[in-house]
Amino acid sequence: GAVVSQHPSRVICKSGTSVKIECRSLDFQATTMFWYRQFPKQSLMLMATSNEGSKATYEQGVEKDKFLINHASLTLSTLTVTSAHPEDSSFYICSATLAGETYEQFFGPGTRLTVL
Amino acid sequence: EDQVTQSPEALRLQEGESSSLNCSYTVSGLRGLFWYRQDPGKGPEFLFTLYSAGEEKEKERLKATLTKKESFLHITAPKPEDSATYLCAVASGGSYIPTFGRGTSLIVHP
Repeated sequence: GAVVSQHPSRVICKSGTSVKIECRSLDFQATTMFWYRQFPKQSLMLMATSNEGSKATYEQGVEKDKFLINHASLTLSTLTVTSAHPEDSSFYICSATLAGETYEQFFGPGTRLTVL
Repeated sequence: EDQVTQSPEALRLQEGESSSLNCSYTVSGLRGLFWYRQDPGKGPEFLFTLYSAGEEKEKERLKATLTKKESFLHITAPKPEDSATYLCAVASGGSYIPTFGRGTSLIVHP
C-alpha cells in the first residue's frame, strides 16, 4: 500500500519551454502532497505543499509563477516548470500523506529534469 | 526551529560488519521521527516512524531506536544491497511538514 507514482521519470527539454510533472497516489487518497527538489548529494528541499482543491503553499524563495502546482483531485498533483532554464535542471520528487494520518510521507520515484 | 543532524555523513562497512547511524534532533513537541532509505536516482523509501522515547522498530537487518534527543538506525550484519543513503526526518508541534537531515551515505563492501 501507499504507492506514489511520478511521470515522466526523465525529461529533457529546451530552454524556454514548459514541462509538466504528474504525481499520483495509486492506492490511497492524499489530501496533502508535497513537492521537493534535490540537488546532487544533498538532502531534500521542500518547494511547496499542495492540498486538494486549494492553492499551494510555497516555501520562501520558491517562485510560484515559475513552479505552478495544481492539486485537482485526491490522487493527482501536477508541477509545471514554466519557461524552464538550465538552472532548473534538478531531481524533482513528490510525496503524499494518507488522509487523516498527516505525518508519514510516501515518496514518488522522482523526475530527472534536464534543461538544455 | 526544528533541527536534524545526521552522522556520519558517509560510512563504509565490510559485509557483516554491524554499525549504527545517528540522527540528533531538536524540536518543540515531537510528533514523529522518520527514517527513509534512498537509492541513487530514486525517491526515498519509507522505513520507520517512531513516536516516543524508548520506542524501537525492526525490519530485517535494520532496527531503529529513539531517545529524547536522538535516534539510532542499527544495521546488523549488513549486505551490499543495504548500500544507500539513509535519511532521518522529524515532525513537530502543529506542523505536519517534516524537517529532513542531510542523510548518511552507506556503502557496504562485499
